[in-house]
Amino acid sequence: GAGVSQSPRYKVAKRGQDVALRCDPISGHVSLFWYQQALGQGPEFLTYFQNEAQLDKSGLPSDRFFAERPEGSVSTLKIQRTQQEDSAVYLCASSPDRVPYNEQFFGPGTRLTVL
Amino acid sequence: SQQGEEDPQALSIQEGENATMNCSYKTSINNLQWYRQNSGRGLVHLILIRSNEREKHSGRLRVTLDTSKKSSSLLITASRAADTASYFCATGGNQGGKLIFGQGTELSVKP
Repeated sequence: GAGVSQSPRYKVAKRGQDVALRCDPISGHVSLFWYQQALGQGPEFLTYFQNEAQLDKSGLPSDRFFAERPEGSVSTLKIQRTQQEDSAVYLCASSPDRVPYNEQFFGPGTRLTVL
Repeated sequence: SQQGEEDPQALSIQEGENATMNCSYKTSINNLQWYRQNSGRGLVHLILIRSNEREKHSGRLRVTLDTSKKSSSLLITASRAADTASYFCATGGNQGGKLIFGQGTELSVKP
C-alpha cells in the first residue's frame, strides 16, 4: 500500500517568505509527527497530532512555526518569515496507534533551503 | 535537543565484515528503536526493543539493550554494500509517543 507522502520534495525560499509543507500519512493512521533534520544530525521532534488534536507542540522552535491537521488526515507545517536557520529536511511520520509505542512510518521528507 | 550519543560517528568496513554501532541515552524509556536512512531518503524502521528486553534478532541484525547503563548496540552481521547508510537509534514511549533520536552513525560498506 501507499506509504507516507510529502510535498514538495524540495523547496527553495527567499528569506522572509512563508512556506507550507504537506504530509499525507498512511490511511487510517491516528498519530502524526513532524521532525526537523539538520544536515549531518538526527531528526528532532517538532509536533505531534492524535487525529486532529495537536497534543504536543513543544518542539516547534518559534512562533513562526505552525502545524495543523484539521480533518485528522493530511497535515500542513507552515513556516512564516523563513530564516536561513530554518534550512533543513522536514520529515513527517505516522503511526496507527493512539499512543504510539511502536514504530513510526516516515515519509521521504521535504528539503527546505532558505536563501 | 537530542537524546544521546552514538558511536562511532562514522564506520568504514569491507563487505562480509560485521558492523557494530553503539547508542547511549539519558532518560528512562519504554522502547528503543533503530532506523536506517539512505542518502536523500526517509527513515526506515529496522528493529524495536522494549525496555524489559535485553536482546533481539531480526535477520542479520542483533540489538542489545542495557537499561542500567542506558545504552544499546546494533550489530549487522555479514555486511553488504547495500547496508551503506546512516543508522539512528531513537528512544520512545515515555514522552507522549515522540521519538528522540541520536546523531547517527554513518556506515560505509566497501565491496
